[in-house]
Amino acid sequence: DTGVSQNPRHKITKRGQNVTFRCDPISEHNRLYWYRQTLGQGPEFLTYFQNEAQLEKSRLLSDRFSAERPKGSFSTLEIQRTEQGDSAMYLCASTWTSGYNEQFFGPGTRLTVL
Amino acid sequence: KNQVEQSPQSLIILEGKNCTLQCNYTVSPFSNLRWYKQDTGRGPVSLTIMTFSENTKSNGRYTATLDADTKQSSLHITASQLSDSASYICVVSGQAGTALIFGKGTTLSVSS
Repeated sequence: DTGVSQNPRHKITKRGQNVTFRCDPISEHNRLYWYRQTLGQGPEFLTYFQNEAQLEKSRLLSDRFSAERPKGSFSTLEIQRTEQGDSAMYLCASTWTSGYNEQFFGPGTRLTVL
Repeated sequence: KNQVEQSPQSLIILEGKNCTLQCNYTVSPFSNLRWYKQDTGRGPVSLTIMTFSENTKSNGRYTATLDADTKQSSLHITASQLSDSASYICVVSGQAGTALIFGKGTTLSVSS
């Protein structure tokens, strides 16, 4: 296992289209987090899962956003009817619920909405 | 309101010089404080993690300090290298296992 992976790394889409991103966490990690990061800002929390249960959602996660982790392993983040304001880096992180709960981040998916 | 503030916003130093980045937080309850390094276009990578009882922690040329009484932390980089050019983000965890609160980061540029 080489760490958290995310696909695609880059996505360019037209406004109004739907997009889906995938995150594969470190295999033994039971918690998975999604963050959004815009230029010059730190990551902002969107949502997190413990196993397959979605335990918390940020107010940033509008109705157009949905995340799933159906088998408690990989997760998907879907954005419907994309808007230009959705352009950002979407980061995924995973951790095991013990100790420091250190979160390991993936490389991110860069979304550009035209 | 839980917040993490970092200073300076950006910093330019010459290769081989030392520098110190600052972080102030107003997160309560406090679990731990982390410093991450984020290269452009990449995900953050953890440098150090400190709990309430830890005052300092080192990782190679990186040394982090924590004063939980004043709610301040610093990251000191010794003998900077060109590869240190990145954004350094201070992150505070309010409770173990919950979402992290990120600062906006300090952009460090090391020039030759």
